[in-house]
Amino acid sequence: QITLKESGPTLVKPTQTLTLTCTFSGFSLSTNGVGVGWIRQAPGKALEWLALIYWDSDKRYSPSLKSRLTITKDTSKNQVVLTMTNMDPVDTATYYCARRVASYGYSFDSWGQGTLVTVSS
Amino acid sequence: DIQMTQSPSSLSASVGDRVTITCRASQNIGEYLNWYQQTPGKAPKVLIYSASTLQSGVPPRFSGSGSGTDFTLTISSLQPEDFATYFCQAIYSTLPDTFGPGTRVDIK
Repeated sequence: QITLKESGPTLVKPTQTLTLTCTFSGFSLSTNGVGVGWIRQAPGKALEWLALIYWDSDKRYSPSLKSRLTITKDTSKNQVVLTMTNMDPVDTATYYCARRVASYGYSFDSWGQGTLVTVSS
Repeated sequence: DIQMTQSPSSLSASVGDRVTITCRASQNIGEYLNWYQQTPGKAPKVLIYSASTLQSGVPPRFSGSGSGTDFTLTISSLQPEDFATYFCQAIYSTLPDTFGPGTRVDIK
């Protein structure tokens, strides 16, 4: 059974750095073709793709947020960490991590439950 | 970046109706198009990948078609559990993913 779970602060102040951890089980991030991505969704809004890291450490970032994002992985701990600097109230959203598999059309086939992050002073 | 549009942005339908949602990409993405369903308060769930392949466990009333820039998600006979928001997702080579703005399906 594949599970992913996001953890991190629920409230951050403007200008602070957000650090989110995705802890997963049921698959390995050292397997060829596997990646873990981060997607967020502001209240009532569409999904927004943020970042992705592959089994071979290849990293991809949203161009509009690239300067603020860093994604890393710890394969031994089955974790992927996303940091986002200089948080702003417009970054208030539910943040999801999800598994991506090449054999399923590079879709996100398993998702965490999401964690709501509020940016407010 | 690839830009995605979806139409309609929302629709009202009845149980048993046939529903069609379209997604258009700003450039040719071949068949690298996935469809997701999201119900309120839940994470999205993949329905269709590679434009037309049904994800395991997804009812066959869902189908996808298209290639290049124009894609369609069809629900052949709408069920109560299908009232949700549907998103398309474009995958293209080294470019970042792009999600469509979503189509909300409400009860008529």
